[in-house]
Amino acid sequence: AQKITQTQPGMFVQEKEAVTLDCTYDTSDPSYGLFWYKQPSSGEMIFLIYQGSYDQQNATEGRYSLNFQKARKSANLVISASQLGDSAMYFCAMREGGNQFYFGTGTSLTVIP
Amino acid sequence: SQTIHQWPATLVQPVGSPLSLECTVEGTSNPNLYWYRQAAGRGLQLLFYSVGIGQISSEVPQNLSASRPQDRQFILSSKKLLLSDSGFYLCAWSVNSLLTDTQYFGPGTRLTVL
Repeated sequence: AQKITQTQPGMFVQEKEAVTLDCTYDTSDPSYGLFWYKQPSSGEMIFLIYQGSYDQQNATEGRYSLNFQKARKSANLVISASQLGDSAMYFCAMREGGNQFYFGTGTSLTVIP
Repeated sequence: SQTIHQWPATLVQPVGSPLSLECTVEGTSNPNLYWYRQAAGRGLQLLFYSVGIGQISSEVPQNLSASRPQDRQFILSSKKLLLSDSGFYLCAWSVNSLLTDTQYFGPGTRLTVL
């Protein structure tokens, strides 16, 4: 089974609007961390936001927030007030008790002016 | 502050030729190190990871190998490249074993095998 599932290969959003990128995960480990990364066309992977399995509140970092629904095993990324520079690939990832990170297949976000 | 370097940035190699990609990390000690491959328009495939000098875990059987001769150096190699080895290779590091610690990625190497 896939550890991380991103079901949206491509998304479009109007500039200044909010957008939600979906991510579901699969683990039986009670302790895990969830991460979102942004990959612009240049190829670099940029860390955006982290959510721990025991965190009571949803993580926020500037315009990024993580909608963490533990019972549903989902960790959706919400980008508010989209900007043209937000156009990129977005990857959801999970770290369990070991040293491995599991990545989803990514969502391509295009911000329309 | 920590930095991670990869070279070369771009590489075009013929089928059957050898490969050596290098990754170095500065500003931290005893990091976990990772090699990923990303095919065009696809997600990241973990190839190797290392928790210490000389300790390599292989995730995907293939014609690639990895070595960690020094604490902050990670090398990806092949004796004979295949067409299917083309892709974007990313090196990453993380602090050992803490769930809260993210991975930090290098700038990547774009490899084209012709």
